[in-house]
Amino acid sequence: NAGVTQTPKFRILKIGQSMTLQCTQDMNHNYMYWYRQDPGMGLKLIYYSVGAGITDKGEVPNGYNVSRSTTEDFPLRLELAAPSQTSVYFCASTDPTSYSYEQYFGPGTRLTVT
Amino acid sequence: AQSVAQPEDQVNVAEGNPLTVKCTYSVSGNPYLFWYVQYPNRGLQFLLKYITGDNLVKGSYGFEAEFNKSQTSFHLKKPSALVSDSALYFCAVRAPGGSNYQLIWGAGTKLIIKP
Repeated sequence: NAGVTQTPKFRILKIGQSMTLQCTQDMNHNYMYWYRQDPGMGLKLIYYSVGAGITDKGEVPNGYNVSRSTTEDFPLRLELAAPSQTSVYFCASTDPTSYSYEQYFGPGTRLTVT
Repeated sequence: AQSVAQPEDQVNVAEGNPLTVKCTYSVSGNPYLFWYVQYPNRGLQFLLKYITGDNLVKGSYGFEAEFNKSQTSFHLKKPSALVSDSALYFCAVRAPGGSNYQLIWGAGTKLIIKP
């Protein structure tokens, strides 16, 4: 049981480039989330999904897109990278039906846009 | 609006002394409260939570937290700090209801335990 995995661990992008951050969970959780973590700012929710085929915007969705074709995978797409997207990105999942409500996190992707 | 405040950017404690990391919240209704820890270059790890019941909850690594409804606080505590407790600690809250089970996060508190 690997939990939540993310790839890549690190990436440097040039302004205007695109990339996809991968997130996979093997816990059969319906709810998945993408956060960004900026220094001293805590976690900000970018997008979330409540199940395959269903996604919705969080607090800071501009510049990002997501898809959810399977329960396991929830990729985050950056179309035109900007320096403001330099951050650490975390994927998380939860299973509310267990009534535990805590979120399980991946190890993160550290992205630098120059 | 729902919010979480961690009033201290950094807390310094000597090894063996008790530690407290503060968290206050603002939500409508009865909150669900969480503490997470983040070690350098790692993801967040769940420590403990309060959903209902006893106001004092115990979690991983000897940590505990006390829910105080009148003061809207959920402070993290440990009786005797270890150097290995040095990390970034996040408090999070969720108001009951809603369809996305979203957590609202504090800005984090850096805990430094000095030998």
